[in-house]
Amino acid sequence: GENVEQHPSTLSVQEGDSAVIKCTYSDSASNYFPWYKQELGKGPQLIIDIRSNVGEKKDQRIAVTLNKTAKHFSLHITETQPEDSAVYFCAAVDHGNDMRFGAGTRLTVKP
Amino acid sequence: DAGVIQSPRHEVTEMGQEVTLRCKPISGHDYLFWYRQTMMRGLELLIYFNNNVPIDDSGMPEDRFSAKMPNASFSTLKIQPSEPRDSAVYFCASSLVNQPQHFGDGTRLSIL
Repeated sequence: GENVEQHPSTLSVQEGDSAVIKCTYSDSASNYFPWYKQELGKGPQLIIDIRSNVGEKKDQRIAVTLNKTAKHFSLHITETQPEDSAVYFCAAVDHGNDMRFGAGTRLTVKP
Repeated sequence: DAGVIQSPRHEVTEMGQEVTLRCKPISGHDYLFWYRQTMMRGLELLIYFNNNVPIDDSGMPEDRFSAKMPNASFSTLKIQPSEPRDSAVYFCASSLVNQPQHFGDGTRLSIL
């Protein structure tokens, strides 16, 4: 089955700097890659996603890139703000709706 | 629009007791998922349903765990008998086919 690796496990940046989180997946059949943000006491919330026929997608300060050949995808957050502090999860969907999550990255944005 | 609604938000009970977690998916969604989140194991898929039918329950840890979806607007996850190692946050999510999953805010379960 699918295996998703996520790095780093913790990330601390200064407000205004960029943050990058990287994930790799194992199943070449995976075709959908969502990213979720989880705040304390809440469920994961979708922030951006990308499908395998696209190499990059951007939504304001958030962007995701996908390299199908290397089987890795990344989340980029620019101009970070304290409210970006949360745990971020990448995920890969290999068929149907079977989604496998990475272990999560705890992002801290220091004012 | 109402999101995925889970109840209770918190549950504390003694080991050996039966625990029932409830979920109301987003109206119109035909997929429903149950996940468990722990520090050690992260987010794990336990079971998912399509059109109220269980499709994959390979993530259910033991026979003590069971899940049902009697209709399109309600699902339960039951643990009987409960054990301290079942303590975790349990999430329900729903989606349309090949669309993002939307999560509820979870049930924090503590088994003493």
